[in-house]
Amino acid sequence: QSALTQPASVSGSPGQSITISCAGTSTDVGRYNLVSWYQQYPGKSPRLLIYEVNKRPSGVSHRFSGSKSGNTASLTISGLQAGDEADYFCCSYAAGATYVASSYAYVFGTGTKVTVL
Amino acid sequence: EVHLVESGGGLVQPGESLRLSCSASGFTFSSYDMTWVRQAPGKGLEWVSFISGRGSNTYYAESVKGRFTISRDNSKDTMYLQINSLRAEDTAVYYCAKRGYDILTGYFMADAFDTWGQGTMVIVSP
Repeated sequence: QSALTQPASVSGSPGQSITISCAGTSTDVGRYNLVSWYQQYPGKSPRLLIYEVNKRPSGVSHRFSGSKSGNTASLTISGLQAGDEADYFCCSYAAGATYVASSYAYVFGTGTKVTVL
Repeated sequence: EVHLVESGGGLVQPGESLRLSCSASGFTFSSYDMTWVRQAPGKGLEWVSFISGRGSNTYYAESVKGRFTISRDNSKDTMYLQINSLRAEDTAVYYCAKRGYDILTGYFMADAFDTWGQGTMVIVSP
């Protein structure tokens, strides 16, 4: 299973909106509404931002939103803040059938470094 | 407070074995599916393995199938990852994570992990 494709870096000025893409295939992102997004600061553990394409866990800012079109998912950060500078990873369920032992899998994206100018 | 703590990492030689542990607290461990994810130095996240709440279903990434074994002891609120025949490419920080639960809706999150441990480092080098 190949990693989902994300841009290596995205930058924006404070207050702007940026969008990070996550390109998959018809066997992962395109097949399931099971895309999640994680934020990771250097040396820290990942933090869940979005699940099931566009749902926000309790405690996650409304500035983070997710969407999907075809085989590509996207994470949008609005009102960019200095504290948003981090690495972001998408993740998708990626198997032929739910809980089939031979094909159950998750695939992560290549990761995107967000820089606040 | 929900908490996961990994342990068991270290410096090992190629071909050796290690058992990683993930100790859980602050939630009903047996009710949650768990997963291991690793991150090589300076690289992205890689899903490694998954185990259902009761331990009856286990799954592995192709890259580790046959060498890694995931298990859990719900009486000890602990999950394990047995790693055999270690290779240089297994060098990474290994994170454990629990399936997410949305407190607003009262439902488990489908295929997302809301709590991660701090990670344990495995270095494979001669």
